[in-house]
Amino acid sequence: AQSVTQPDIHITVSEGASLELRCNYSYGATPYLFWYVQSPGQGLQLLLKYFSGDTLVQGIKGFEAEFKRSQSSFNLRKPSVHWSDAAEYFCAVAPWSSNTGKLIFGQGTTLQVKP
Amino acid sequence: NAGVTQTPKFQVLKTGQSMTLQCAQDMNHEYMSWYRQDPGMGLRLIHYSVGAGITDQGEVPNGYNVSRSTTEDFPLRLLSAAPSQTSVYFCASSLVGKDTQYFGPGTRLTVL
Repeated sequence: AQSVTQPDIHITVSEGASLELRCNYSYGATPYLFWYVQSPGQGLQLLLKYFSGDTLVQGIKGFEAEFKRSQSSFNLRKPSVHWSDAAEYFCAVAPWSSNTGKLIFGQGTTLQVKP
Repeated sequence: NAGVTQTPKFQVLKTGQSMTLQCAQDMNHEYMSWYRQDPGMGLRLIHYSVGAGITDQGEVPNGYNVSRSTTEDFPLRLLSAAPSQTSVYFCASSLVGKDTQYFGPGTRLTVL
């Protein structure tokens, strides 16, 4: 079965430090990959997405993610974290064979930023 | 554009009551979905629709009904609420099935 795993439930980093959030997926072919962010009490906002082409994708708010086919990973990175980045982050996949609007989400990673 | 709107924002029900969560979008998107969010479980798909008149079940459809009579609206009905349905519910829409989904602000439902 298709699945998405975010191994880190909770991460704490200091403001100004670098960040990497991990995401692994289980699927036979390359799916469409997404990272969403959810601020407290809010809906989800798209940070970035990967469909094909360059495996390093840039997103909003200074985030980037790298697709590694050999590792079935799509990790999210940011060089310098700001206090406003504290939120919950979700990795999601849309299987390439499915054009139905269905997304499979990981469990989420909560990011805490220390001053 | 208002994007994706959901009403109500908060709701408390008693076990056995029924209610409808409303979702509307003004982006002329064909694809709409309902997810529920529970701690430690991410978002799980309840029902989805690929166009007016077409709906299908997602991962956790039991206890929920949907219909899609117009492109704009996709209501979610709880027929007989149970405490296990206490959750935050999100509606989403997309223009193309595999592309970016736009999420509403959510409805926080508590079933006592």
